[in-house]
Amino acid sequence: SQKIEQNSEALNIQEGKTATLTCNYTNYSPAYLQWYRQDPGRGPVFLLLIRENEKEKRKERLKVTFDTTLKQSLFHITASQPADSATYLCALPLWGNNRLAFGKGNQVVVIP
Amino acid sequence: KAGVTQTPRYLIKTRGQQVTLSCSPISGHRSVSWYQQTPGQGLQFLFEYFSETQRNKGNFPGRFSGRQFSNSRSEMNVSTLELGDSALYLCASSRDSSYNEQFFGPGTRLTVL
Repeated sequence: SQKIEQNSEALNIQEGKTATLTCNYTNYSPAYLQWYRQDPGRGPVFLLLIRENEKEKRKERLKVTFDTTLKQSLFHITASQPADSATYLCALPLWGNNRLAFGKGNQVVVIP
Repeated sequence: KAGVTQTPRYLIKTRGQQVTLSCSPISGHRSVSWYQQTPGQGLQFLFEYFSETQRNKGNFPGRFSGRQFSNSRSEMNVSTLELGDSALYLCASSRDSSYNEQFFGPGTRLTVL
């Protein structure tokens, strides 16, 4: 069956360091992968989309890589700040662009 | 530009009742998707509407239904509520089927007692 796996343990990281999150998937061949941020009590907010033919995508302090051979995406937050503390979700499209399957999310806590 | 709005924000119902949740997408967005989020299962796709037609449906029982109006506003309905339906229900909109980024609303927190 199809699975999307993100680390269930919270990542505690010192301010200024780089946080790296992993998203692994099985039995998918996605055309793209998305990352979202979710704060408690709020809906997810879109951060980045990376397509299958792109190895890396950057947006400000965020960087995403996509390895379709390993079936893995890495999400990096460089120079992390306390305001980056949130849960980060990866999402893959299933049949149809607007039908997304989400990982359960990985919480990041940036310690000042 | 106003974001996606959902009403009500919080709702408490008892088992066996039914509930209707509402979603207003971003102006100009024609696709509306609904998701259920629980601590155990995470975010799960319910269904997607585009131009008043349901295009995709997730693996949920028939008690979960929805519709979309000509102004792209959408409602979802859950009948014969069960305790396990307690969740955060999220609505997301996007411009059309080829636009991948989804904009989520704040959600409706449904508690079934």
